[in-house]
Formats: sequence, structure tokens, C-alpha cells
Amino acid sequence: QVQLVESGGGEVQPGGSLRLSCAASGFRFSNYGFHWVRQAPGKGLEWVALIWSDGTRENYADSVKGRFTISRDNSENTLYLQMNNLRVEDTAVYYCARDLSVAAGDYRGQGTLVTVSS
Amino acid sequence: QSALTQPASVSGSPGQSITISCIGTSSDLGGYNYVSWYQHHPGKAPKLMIYDVTNRPSGISNRFSGSKSGNTASLTISGLQAEDEADYYCSSYSSSNTVLFGGGTKMTVL
Repeated sequence: QVQLVESGGGEVQPGGSLRLSCAASGFRFSNYGFHWVRQAPGKGLEWVALIWSDGTRENYADSVKGRFTISRDNSENTLYLQMNNLRVEDTAVYYCARDLSVAAGDYRGQGTLVTVSS
Repeated sequence: QSALTQPASVSGSPGQSITISCIGTSSDLGGYNYVSWYQHHPGKAPKLMIYDVTNRPSGISNRFSGSKSGNTASLTISGLQAEDEADYYCSSYSSSNTVLFGGGTKMTVL
């Protein structure tokens, strides 16, 4: 069955970096675009980034543009989110999702918690 | 990148129907038929309930339906059940090649 397992979260100081991973299985990874979405404590869902199925295009929310990079390794069936220059407001649970249509995310994992704190 | 507008809360009794609205602009929700709705229970993965305005993924009950008129999309849940109680989010593709979410609606079954 379709599985997406996020990992790589943790606690980091402001200005630090983390790389999140999303391991996929149960479907042809290379056929899908993927999203990262986050939920800060007590807040709603916020879209973060999108990468197309062939990896040729990426799009980012203004709040992370220039600091975060989404990438994928189709040979390893894994999606990544490199997060640099982290801010306190980046604290959230981060979810990955495959794109079933346009901006229609199929979420399967429990997410990974990123805490940015001094 | 302004968020889509949803009511903070809605409620209904078992068996009733409720509708959650989602208001955008002509640059996002009104300009594309790429509106999705998600059900989210705290601590769990968001669940896609509706995509492309009206389509239900496999396995989603036909008690859930979506529609759109102009810059407003709606999610209707009919025959309310206790397990429908959750947070619901709308989302839409936008002209800036990004995705917008609504602020979320807490749906309570009375």
C-alpha cells in the first residue's frame, strides 16, 4: 500500500539547518509531484513547497523562499526538504504528500516535528 | 500569498447536513478548478476528501461533496456522523504557482 514516512525533524537553534526526508513506497515515485506542508502549534496547515515529478520545477511559499530547498531522488524513492537559516516561526510538524492532481495532496505519514528554539 | 477564508467553526447534529465555505479570489480559487478539501484529526495525517472541486478519492464516502461558484467553494457533509468531527481545510492552486490553504474550520457534531 501507499506509504510516506517523514523523518529528520528535531530541535535546532535559530539560524541552524535541518534536512527532512520522506521515504515513499507502494507506488511509482517518479510519476508524481510532491509537496511539503507544515502545521505550527495551534495553527492551521501551511503549504511550503512543491516539486514536479521530473524534478525540473520547484515552487515555494514566500515565507521559506531562499531558505528552503525541495529536492527528490527518484532512484531512492525519497523526497527531501533542506531547511537553512531556520527561524523560530518555522517550528511545526512537517508533512509530505504526493500530488494526485494539481495541488491535491495525498498525505499518509504522521509528520516530523521541527522545533527551532534558543 | 493570502490564505483562503473559512469560517472558524460550524456544527450540526447527527444525521443533518452542514456546509463549509471557502472564499478566495479570481487569482486562485476562482480562476482554477483545483480546489481540494482535507479532513484533519490532530496528530494524524490530513486526509484528502475532495479534489478538483468535486472529485472524491477512492474510499471517500459519498456523504462528502464539493462545489464552486465564482470565488467561493463549498464542502457539504450530509448525514453527519460522530466520526466526521474534525478540522477541515480547503486549498487551491494559485496564479503564482503556489498553493493556498484556508485557515481551517472546526466541525463539531453536537
